[in-house]
Amino acid sequence: TQLLEQSPQFLSIQEGENLTVYCNSSSVFSSLQWYRQEPGEGPVLLVTVVTGGEVKKLKRLTFQFGDARKDSSLHITAAQPGDTGLYLCAPDTGANSKLTFGKGITLSVRP
Amino acid sequence: EAQVTQNPRYLITVTGKKLTVTCSQNMNHEYMSWYRQDPGLGLRQIYYSMNVEVTDKGDVPEGYKVSRKEKRNFPLILESPSPNQTSLYFCASAQLGTYEQYFGPGTRLTVT
Repeated sequence: TQLLEQSPQFLSIQEGENLTVYCNSSSVFSSLQWYRQEPGEGPVLLVTVVTGGEVKKLKRLTFQFGDARKDSSLHITAAQPGDTGLYLCAPDTGANSKLTFGKGITLSVRP
Repeated sequence: EAQVTQNPRYLITVTGKKLTVTCSQNMNHEYMSWYRQDPGLGLRQIYYSMNVEVTDKGDVPEGYKVSRKEKRNFPLILESPSPNQTSLYFCASAQLGTYEQYFGPGTRLTVT
């Protein structure tokens, strides 16, 4: 199982602020997914990044895959209370189908 | 509506009493998986299945069994539950190759 680190673990910000969170590993990934989980619910897929250096935008959320495909970042512009939740990254190493999730980033956006 | 369903949503049981948590998906996905989620430990994979009659261990398989007799169903079986299996359990499914997973709503299990 590859080591996967998400940072920061917890983040509490005011509505309107910008933020960036990270998913890092020493392993190379064939693709990586970001999910958001709200309290009491299952994770929901936000995006899949596949190509090194790829940038994908989902409204105010910008996802970037590192050039070497070992890391990824999620940037949120003008955060809203509705962005509150647990953000999880899940890489696919391509080696097998045993999937590992990062421990997640708990984001709280205060009105 | 495309969905993954789990039953029951909440379960309180006693040590040693066998239980089954059902999982069903209506998206014709080949890949299905079970996870447990615990504070500080994140989401950990218990078992996964690539297709009917094909299952394999995830990171924390001890104390659990699964079966995949039909493509749509992937039940999780606890033959002799123990208090350390108290957790929030999620079932997920995905199209093989993409691993873009659709999760069920979760089953909160308490073993006393």
